This record gives sequence, structure tokens and C-alpha cells, in this order.
Amino acid sequence: KQEVTQIPAALSVPEGENLVLNCSFTDSAIYNLQWFRQDPGKGLTSLLLIQSSQREQTSGRLNASLDKSSGRSTLYIAASQPGDSATYLCAVYAGTALIFGKGTTLSVSS
Amino acid sequence: DAGITQSPRHKVTETGTPVTLRCHQTENHRYMYWYRQDPGHGLRLIHYSYGVKDTDKGEVSDGYSVSRSKTEDFLLTLESATSSQTSVYFCAISAGTDQETQYFGPGTRLLVL
Repeated sequence: KQEVTQIPAALSVPEGENLVLNCSFTDSAIYNLQWFRQDPGKGLTSLLLIQSSQREQTSGRLNASLDKSSGRSTLYIAASQPGDSATYLCAVYAGTALIFGKGTTLSVSS
Repeated sequence: DAGITQSPRHKVTETGTPVTLRCHQTENHRYMYWYRQDPGHGLRLIHYSYGVKDTDKGEVSDGYSVSRSKTEDFLLTLESATSSQTSVYFCAISAGTDQETQYFGPGTRLLVL
């Protein structure tokens, strides 16, 4: 059974810092991996999708990498801002629907 | 995102009563999903649909049923609500070139007393 783990569960950083969020999955037979952002009491916003054949995707200050063989993905956030404070969720797609990690809650202080 | 609305947005009900949640999309997406989000469990798939009248079970389908009579609407029904079904329910659709990116609705907060 596919399991997705995100470490750390929570992270606090000062504004301007570069940071990395980690996601690991137990079964490398995935079609793609998607990163989401969730603000408190809100829905999920799709940030990046990486196909299984890709190594990374970039959008603005965000860069996501995928190493399928080792079952790992990272989300790199450059020059963090207080507006980046949210919960970040990683999810893998293996044919039916997404399997989610429990998220990393990020707090960026000004 | 992707023209997804959910109704109601908030609901309080009593144990044993039936509840129906509605997901509506405006862009003719084929695939639709219902997830629930709970502290300590994250998001888990309840049911999904791959076309009108085509549905299948997800990881946590017990106590739930779904229907899709039109492309734009996907209904989730709790036949007899229990306190364990208190949760936030999210609807999602698949979009993109290969239907691979999922977009989520705003969610419905359900409290079962």
C-alpha cells in the first residue's frame, strides 16, 4: 500500500530564508507527484505537478524535484515571505486518485 | 479553481439523519472525486467518478454513496450520518492535457452531533 510521508510536520523560518520541504513515498510506481498549498480553513491550491518521467518543475520562487527511484520529492522555496505561511501537501498519483501526505505547516516570520 | 463549487459550505446535523453534499463544475471534466480531511489522517479518497453514472469506491467509502446523473454534478450522500463522519469534505476534478492535475473545491465543513 502506498504511503506518503512529509518531514518536518512543522517549520518556522525568518523572512528571506531559502527552505526545503521533504516528501517521501513507499512505492515508486507512480504516474506523477503534485504539490499543494492549503491556507487555514481553505481548500487546496495546486502549486506544481511533476510527471514520473521528469526530474523537476519550477514556478516562480518554487522548485520541485522528483527522484522516483529513491521515492523522494523536495519542494524548494526561495526567499521566503510571510505570505508563504501555509500547509504544504505532497500527493502521488498511481492510477485511481491521489495519495496524500499529512503536510508540512510552514510559518514565515517578518 | 477550475469552476468548482460545493454546497452547502457548512452544515450541522444530527446523528442518524441523511445528508447530501453537492459538487458542481462548469467545465465538463470527466473525472470527479470526493475526499475527506481529518486531523491526523490527512486527505483520503471516499469515491470517484469517471463519467456519468460511472463511479467507484475509494479508501474510506463505508457509510457513503455517490451519484452522477449529469457531467457537472457529483453528489455525496451520507445515508445515516454518524459522529465519525464529522469532517471537511473536498470535491476535486482532474484536468490538463492528460487529466493528471487535480483541482479542488473550497470544501464543506460537516458537523454531526
